[in-house]
Amino acid sequence: DGGITQSPKYLFRKEGQNVTLSCEQNLNHDAMYWYRQDPGQGLRLIYYSQIVNDFQKGDIAEGYSVSREKKESFPLTVTSAQKNPTAFYLCASSPTGGVLSYEQYFGPGTRLTVT
Amino acid sequence: AQKVTQAQTEISVVEKEDVTLDCVYETRDTTYYLFWYKQPPSGELVFLIRRNSFDEQNEISGRYSWNFQKSTSSFNFTITASQVVDSAVYFCALSEASGTYKYIFGTGTRLKVLA
Repeated sequence: DGGITQSPKYLFRKEGQNVTLSCEQNLNHDAMYWYRQDPGQGLRLIYYSQIVNDFQKGDIAEGYSVSREKKESFPLTVTSAQKNPTAFYLCASSPTGGVLSYEQYFGPGTRLTVT
Repeated sequence: AQKVTQAQTEISVVEKEDVTLDCVYETRDTTYYLFWYKQPPSGELVFLIRRNSFDEQNEISGRYSWNFQKSTSSFNFTITASQVVDSAVYFCALSEASGTYKYIFGTGTRLKVLA
């Protein structure tokens, strides 16, 4: 079955620790995205990548970092510099080229709680 | 600037009622895509529909229908004969055909269908 996996579903960390969220896809999509969702708000784009070894900042990149060493994987690190890291994080992917490149498919999300 | 407004924060209906979720968007581009996603309590966003700016035909898929009107910059979503399983948060999103494939999401409408 093709899809996007994010692990773990729930993650707890102490303040001051970096934490890495996993995102893997087997849809053969070139583009991948990370979003943050807070209660009562829409999804906000953190980082996106359209090709391996390249990525761009989204609207709220401060305090986060990413890598894209493989097409299938786009891990997100929440650093200690992120002031409000507790949130629901969603990873997505899409093909590139043609109209279907505008359809993003989402993983199940990781709920991060930092205390 | 791009913007998506979902003015209805929460809607409650009784099962079998029809319900319309509103979406108003702003963009300066002439070519763009509009989307609706469903987010059930599990958290994963489920793709419902994509509409491009050149296609103003309304679409029906089972109990779901969408009304796209460029004149009012609206892309409304109607559920006919609502069911408890329709309870979820629904997001409207906009993507300009600029090649970055980025989405701008509305803040979502929480739909509660009561038995």
